[in-house]
Amino acid sequence: QVQLVESGGALVKPGGSLRLSCAASGFTFSDYYMTWIRQAPGKGLEWVSYISTGGDRIYYASSLKGRFTVSRDNAKKSLYLQMSSLSPEDTAVYYCGRGLRVTSGLYYYDGMDVWGPGTTVTVSS
Amino acid sequence: DIVMTQSPLSLPVTPGEPASISCRSSQSLLHNNGYNYLDWYLQKPGQSPQLLIYLGSNRASGVPDRFSGSGSGTDFTLKISRVEAEDVGVYYCMQTLHTVRHFTFGPGTKVEIK
Repeated sequence: QVQLVESGGALVKPGGSLRLSCAASGFTFSDYYMTWIRQAPGKGLEWVSYISTGGDRIYYASSLKGRFTVSRDNAKKSLYLQMSSLSPEDTAVYYCGRGLRVTSGLYYYDGMDVWGPGTTVTVSS
Repeated sequence: DIVMTQSPLSLPVTPGEPASISCRSSQSLLHNNGYNYLDWYLQKPGQSPQLLIYLGSNRASGVPDRFSGSGSGTDFTLKISRVEAEDVGVYYCMQTLHTVRHFTFGPGTKVEIK
């Protein structure tokens, strides 16, 4: 079945780095733009980043100030989020999601229709 | 950046009664292809978000027809025709206008049973 599973969440000290992964299965990963969002404890959803099918178009939330880097490996059906200079404000559950579909050069937007269960990042000394 | 607002932020509902949530964006979400890039998501307690409505008014697969989305430009509405107990959670609108190179969630509306 169509599935996304995040991993890599951990307890990390302020100023540290972490790499999250998102493994896709059950669909043609390379056909889809992918996104990361996060949710701090007791807070709402916050969009983080978006990457095109080939990785040539990448968007980031302006609040990240260049500390995060999104990438993908279509051969491995995996999405990544490299996070650096982490602060307690980055403590959150991080979710990956599926977005725009590209088929035969045509673009189809059916919403962000698949989400993983999330992985928890805790930034604390 | 586009700013999204929602009202109300808290909505006590009675099962069987209708409910409505408003979402506004700081700039138009109407793309020149004629579609409004506004989605609605529901996050039930302890769960990942789930897609309800995309492009303003299209119900996602498997979403009950008691959910409907409407609006255009900067003003959008999510309606539940008859609330059921399983509809509790936080509802978020999200702008996904790809041309602005960033997306934004609204603050969320918490729906709970009276």
